[in-house]
Amino acid sequence: DQQVKQNSPSLSVQEGRISILNCDYTNSMFDYFLWYKKYPAEGPTFLISISSIKDKNEDGRFTVFLNKSAKHLSLHIVPSQPGDSAVYFCAATVSGNTGKLIFGQGTTLQVKP
Amino acid sequence: DTGVSQDPRHKITKRGQNVTFRCDPISEHNRLYWYRQTLGQGPEFLTYFQNEAQLEKSRLLSDRFSAERPKGSFSTLEIQRTEQGDSAMYLCASSLGGRPYEQYFGPGTRLTVT
Repeated sequence: DQQVKQNSPSLSVQEGRISILNCDYTNSMFDYFLWYKKYPAEGPTFLISISSIKDKNEDGRFTVFLNKSAKHLSLHIVPSQPGDSAVYFCAATVSGNTGKLIFGQGTTLQVKP
Repeated sequence: DTGVSQDPRHKITKRGQNVTFRCDPISEHNRLYWYRQTLGQGPEFLTYFQNEAQLEKSRLLSDRFSAERPKGSFSTLEIQRTEQGDSAMYLCASSLGGRPYEQYFGPGTRLTVT
């Protein structure tokens, strides 16, 4: 069963515009969420996280929003840059646990110059 | 470079052979994770170490898989009697105990079983 789902396999955005990547989860025990970015031939890189006690976390151009009632989170990138082109993975975990992350399938973002 | 390193980066083997992968985590990280990633999917958790103790194993980790972290530093993942379904990218990650979710990943070992 896919507990974390990214339903959009790909997204194309013009440079300077906003990129919005979406993620849904089913396990109500999840209380910590993360976004990772992955370039080809590299491992995933931690980008930003959010605890379930918050509904928003911002770090520079990246903002993550969490809607617990809808079991939905999103990553906003503003403004988008060509260097942001990568695969983005949403991940979730249960805090106080081993740190095991449950990942979504990933969304490939292409930012066009 | 003080990131997570993995060796080899690529491995091609014939079905039925044994393979072993190595992961060197960031030196001060006491937690180490192995994940497997297949095409079009996100990484899937395999197992987790805190120092030298293996504390959790996924049901994905069949009896043919074994992982060790003998001195709480580097780790090895061995697959015995490889099958074509084992073809995947094997990722290692490490983290500090105080921030276990912010995991630093290595570049992965791509295994192809022919």
